[in-house]
Amino acid sequence: LAKTTQPISMDSYEGQEVNITCSHNNIATNDYITWYQQFPSQGPRFIIQGYKTKVTNEVASLFIPADRKSSTLSLPRVSLSDTAVYYCLVGVSGGYQKVTFGIGTKLQVIP
Amino acid sequence: SQTIHQWPATLVQPVGSPLSLECTVEGTSNPNLYWYRQAAGRGLQLLFYSVGIGQISSEVPQNLSASRPQDRQFILSSKKLLLSDSGFYLCAWSREGADTQYFGPGTRLTVL
Repeated sequence: LAKTTQPISMDSYEGQEVNITCSHNNIATNDYITWYQQFPSQGPRFIIQGYKTKVTNEVASLFIPADRKSSTLSLPRVSLSDTAVYYCLVGVSGGYQKVTFGIGTKLQVIP
Repeated sequence: SQTIHQWPATLVQPVGSPLSLECTVEGTSNPNLYWYRQAAGRGLQLLFYSVGIGQISSEVPQNLSASRPQDRQFILSSKKLLLSDSGFYLCAWSREGADTQYFGPGTRLTVL
């Protein structure tokens, strides 16, 4: 499994765009990149998944450069309710029995 | 639609007592099932996963065990709890052949 590295914590003011970068230098050809969000005392929730270039949904955007050794989760105009821990995972789509949720990035949105 | 249930929501147990946490999934068939533990301020640790009835894979050697007596039921057990077993236990499921995991509400276990 490819190892991922993320910042432990980030602070942002309400209304700003937040970008969280994840490094995965040993990502394999078949690996996808998936981000989850976890609120306190809740289980993680799937946010977005991508393989290359850019993916966008109603919650976030995911930017993946050509070499795929990193990825950036972009949250537009964050609000206080976006305060959570964000996890970056790398693994084979469809064969995901073993995944490692690291410590993640704790995002604190400040009013 | 699919839903996942865990109970109890909170549990306080003395050291050396047994444990049984239950997880059930509704609205899907033959899901992959997972048990995770999250210690305070830590990431999620995968404990067990199952791809079918009676098929359990253990990721971390410990005094916990898991069973899958029915297709959509996953049970986490211990014969004798340790202080280090305290934490937030999460059950998750994914579709057969898919990777996105859907988590239950969790059980917060405190061992005293």
